[in-house]
Amino acid sequence: SQQGEEDPQALSIQEGENATMNCSYKTSINNLQWYRQNSGRGLVHLILIRSNEREKHSGRLRVTLDTSKKSSSLLITASRAADTASYFCATGSLIQGAQKLVFGQGTRLTINP
Amino acid sequence: NAGVMQNPRHLVRRRGQEARLRCSPMKGHSHVYWYRQLPEEGLKFMVYLQKENIIDESGMPKERFSAEFPKEGPSILRIQQVVRGDSAAYFCASSPVRSSYNEQFFGPGTRLTVL
Repeated sequence: SQQGEEDPQALSIQEGENATMNCSYKTSINNLQWYRQNSGRGLVHLILIRSNEREKHSGRLRVTLDTSKKSSSLLITASRAADTASYFCATGSLIQGAQKLVFGQGTRLTINP
Repeated sequence: NAGVMQNPRHLVRRRGQEARLRCSPMKGHSHVYWYRQLPEEGLKFMVYLQKENIIDESGMPKERFSAEFPKEGPSILRIQQVVRGDSAAYFCASSPVRSSYNEQFFGPGTRLTVL
């Protein structure tokens, strides 16, 4: 499996419920980032967590990172229809001081009204 | 401050033609990255450039593909003699200078369709 692999591949929940997506990776990382992609659009950066951090919050988003298990999770609380999108984790490795991102295949999240 | 701009947004080419994709990074950003996304898949890194330099092209096919980021003007991803398998969305991202923990800012992408 490739670096930054999301689980599940697809998730469908009711509006108001919490959505949890997981990401596993294989190699050492500098940081891990989560992005959202609406259908047919570009990527929107959601949150970045550094390798020395364990948890980070941003609004309704909560990200955890467990470097011993090489895994991360993204929790969206109180989901809304507008959260319907694909969510990708990306691991960052350094090339001459700048990042090369390796993306997983994403989780397609559907929020049902 | 305008975001990352890509054009065209949609490009249709016949097999054997050339495709030129342009990317203007955000103001003040001198690092540009190109990614390719096949349907129902995540983004795959292709190439990383700084002004007038290719830093890492490990994700770019050896033949038919080339990229540049001149001193003036946008970054260009060029695909020669396109084939149907080149049909994909191509995304450009940029980041500021000298930052190891920064996010990458993505453009809206160019959707290439090869007939």
